[in-house]
Formats: sequence, structure tokens, C-alpha cells
Amino acid sequence: DAGVIQSPRHEVTEMGQEVTLRCKPISGHDYLFWYRQTMMRGLELLIYFNNNVPIDDSGMPEDRFSAKMPNASFSTLKIQPSEPRDSAVYFCASSLATGDEQFFGPGTRLTVL
Amino acid sequence: GENVEQHPSTLSVQEGDSAVIKCTYSDSASNYFPWYKQELGKGPQLIIDIRSNVGEKKDQRIAVTLNKTAKHFSLHITETQPEDSAVYFCAARSSSASKIIFGSGTRLSIRP
Repeated sequence: DAGVIQSPRHEVTEMGQEVTLRCKPISGHDYLFWYRQTMMRGLELLIYFNNNVPIDDSGMPEDRFSAKMPNASFSTLKIQPSEPRDSAVYFCASSLATGDEQFFGPGTRLTVL
Repeated sequence: GENVEQHPSTLSVQEGDSAVIKCTYSDSASNYFPWYKQELGKGPQLIIDIRSNVGEKKDQRIAVTLNKTAKHFSLHITETQPEDSAVYFCAARSSSASKIIFGSGTRLSIRP
């Protein structure tokens, strides 16, 4: 397996634009997590899914953020409209179960100008 | 909810010496404690984990200890090497929740 795949790896956009980040989890994994990493706030869990169903979205900062998982092999994190404070590295991770090892993707570095 | 504190935030050790990173957690129901290593430009990667029914676990030069009474756990790296330079995160998962809470990270530098 190629591991968790994220795209794009880098995204530069202007304030107010819509941004969509994509993730393909490891095949067979039941859980998918979206994290945001910044120097100030560290590694924050935004939302996670179990069998494509959102379980906990309490980490989603505000209504500008939304996440979907239409099938077991694909998830998106959307920011609309984007703001400079959204600049961060966004990671997707997947695991077989919540108490098991999470496999992280390489991340998407987002810069909002 | 769970809160995980990690110290120190930065650590510099001479190559060959040992490094110790310490974490505390708040939820006494937590039962799973993984440690992740993040190299520059990459996502975190699990290096070792421990469950609450075990007090210590070793894997070559890496060991983790857990004190449930005091609610703290530590990562020990012996005979440090240049490739150990990275950011290390501790984490905890409560048995009553399904998500892992990460500490703030420790940037470890190995001096040649």
C-alpha cells in the first residue's frame, strides 16, 4: 500500500477563496482523521470519521470549515472562505481502530495570503 | 476532556547521550499512550506505544514508562544518533473517548 495520500502538497491562495484538501486513506482502514498543525497551537484534531460517518467534529474551528467522506477511499476538507489565519499544515491520518496506530499522510501546506 | 502536557519543548543532547521527554495527562480513564516522531516535512510516525496494563516497554534504543498513579509517562532514547533529531509527540486516549489527544511536541536536536 502507498500509505495515506494527500493532495495537493502545497496550496497558496488568496483570502476569500475556497480551498479543498483531499485525502485517500489506507485501504481497509475504518477511521479517518483530519488534523491541523501550527507553531502556536500544535497538532489539533479537527474531525474524524468512522466508516465514512463523521463522529466528532468538535475541533472544526468554525462554519467556514467542512469535511466530507463520500466513500471509504476519499475524504475532503473544505475551507470557504479562506482567511490568512487558516495558514497551516493539514494532515490526514487513518487507522484500523481508534486505539491503533494512526498512519499520517505527508500533509498539505496551506498558505492564505 | 483529556489534556496532555509535554516537557521540555526543546532538548539538545550530545550524540551518544540519553534523551528523556516527559508527559502528563489529566483523564484517569486514559488507557493508551502512543509516541510519534515527526521529521522535517513529513507527517508524524508512531515509534512506540504503551497500554495502561503495562508499566514499561522497550524497543531497541527506545523505551517508554508509565506511572498511572501519577498520570505521567516518559520516552527514553539511549545512545542517541543524528537521525534521532526530530519533533516528538506524546499522546493519550481515554477509554471513554475515541480520539487521541497530542502533547505540544518536543524538538530534539542531537549535537555531533
